[in-house]
Amino acid sequence: QSVLTQPPSASGTPGQRVTISCSGSSSNIGSHYVNWYQHLPGTAPKLLIYSSIQRPSGVPDRFSGSKSGTSASLAISGLQSEDEADYYCAAWDDSLNGQLLFGGGTKLTVL
Amino acid sequence: QVHLVQSGAEVKKPGASVKISCKASGYSFTNYAIHWVRQAPGQRPEWMGWMFAGNDDRKYSQKFQGRVTMTRDTSATTAYMELSSLRSEDTAVYYCARNPPRTQTLDSWGLGTLVTVSS
Repeated sequence: QSVLTQPPSASGTPGQRVTISCSGSSSNIGSHYVNWYQHLPGTAPKLLIYSSIQRPSGVPDRFSGSKSGTSASLAISGLQSEDEADYYCAAWDDSLNGQLLFGGGTKLTVL
Repeated sequence: QVHLVQSGAEVKKPGASVKISCKASGYSFTNYAIHWVRQAPGQRPEWMGWMFAGNDDRKYSQKFQGRVTMTRDTSATTAYMELSSLRSEDTAVYYCARNPPRTQTLDSWGLGTLVTVSS
């Protein structure tokens, strides 16, 4: 069964740079773009990175995405308290006649 | 500005059905697909399927095939998702999200609709 794996938690102090990883396989990240979403409970999820490396307008350039092989990463530089949220990676997967997969989410804490 | 406004929370008994609406505004409704994603407590988001608002094209996750129906009313710029034969494991927040054409991106999301299945 295809799955996207993220660390359950990450943390950093204001101003630091943190990185969140997302590991998949050839049927998902290895073949498709990765998107990253920021989610605060009770709010609508927000698109942070699309097509693995692109930033939608309005998203600060402190957020960046990368992809290599079957893994992807989200980097947040100049960490701010407002960045404390849950972060999810997502990618299309070719198994089961095609499905959209989400990672398990990473809870980012700003210390 | 794009807005997706979802219907309110629902409480259902096992075996019942639920139909959630997603009212779209701020863009050309029929040029985009609407996806439905749910998130149960403590679980990762789970994709349920999509429907292109411009025609009858749709694709459901194999997991929900036979239980889910996605429809739309173009005059009301509203998408609907109906899930039948509810069980306790269907308790979750259900989200609609917009998908621009020829992308794999969900660029705008609704606030979510909490569905609680309990006897």
